[in-house]
Amino acid sequence: AQTVTQSQPEMSVQEAETVTLSCTYDTSESDYYLFWYKQPPSRQMILVIRQEAYKQQNATENRFSVNFQKAAKSFSLKISDSQLGDAAMYFCAYRPQQGGSEKLVFGKGMKLTVNP
Amino acid sequence: EAGVAQSPRYKIIEKRQSVAFWCNPISGHATLYWYQQILGQGPKLLIQFQNNGVVDDSQLPKDRFSAERLKGVDSTLKIQPAKLEDSAVYLCASSWGRTHNEQFFGPGTRLTVL
Repeated sequence: AQTVTQSQPEMSVQEAETVTLSCTYDTSESDYYLFWYKQPPSRQMILVIRQEAYKQQNATENRFSVNFQKAAKSFSLKISDSQLGDAAMYFCAYRPQQGGSEKLVFGKGMKLTVNP
Repeated sequence: EAGVAQSPRYKIIEKRQSVAFWCNPISGHATLYWYQQILGQGPKLLIQFQNNGVVDDSQLPKDRFSAERLKGVDSTLKIQPAKLEDSAVYLCASSWGRTHNEQFFGPGTRLTVL
């Protein structure tokens, strides 16, 4: 079974600084997707960034970028120029590319605090 | 484009009572998911529908949970009877199809079982 591990339950960062959130996963599949979701207090899960496992190039979305290390099964999220609105729970998630359910397997999440 | 709608937003019930949640996915989305998110954990899939058929309900406690999507649009999730450990946020999500499509989440329903 696939598992996703986020070992840091909480982190804090100063506004305008950079922070990196870590995630590791376990799977025997070769093709899959990895995601970072943000969940503010409103509870709505919002997709931040996604990475296809077959792509060697790391995904980037504005201030958000990932460091995808397939062999190490590591998928970290870097937030540059942190803003107060970035404060939220962040979840790393995995989804197989083919076959069966397309369910997302989530980690336990990490609470990010942004200090002004 | 309207997002995924869920109701109610909050529900408090006594154990052994029944409760139902409603989800209206984004128009045109064929795939609908129900996730359970217990406090301090990530969401866990309960059931996935493709149109009105079930794709995956392997983690649905079928002795007390049921879900339906009769016309392939709206969906309801029911718990009968509720237990204390069912206290959680129930998230509904939808996507255009099953492969490499983003899942869009609703605001969730927070259930408290006393």
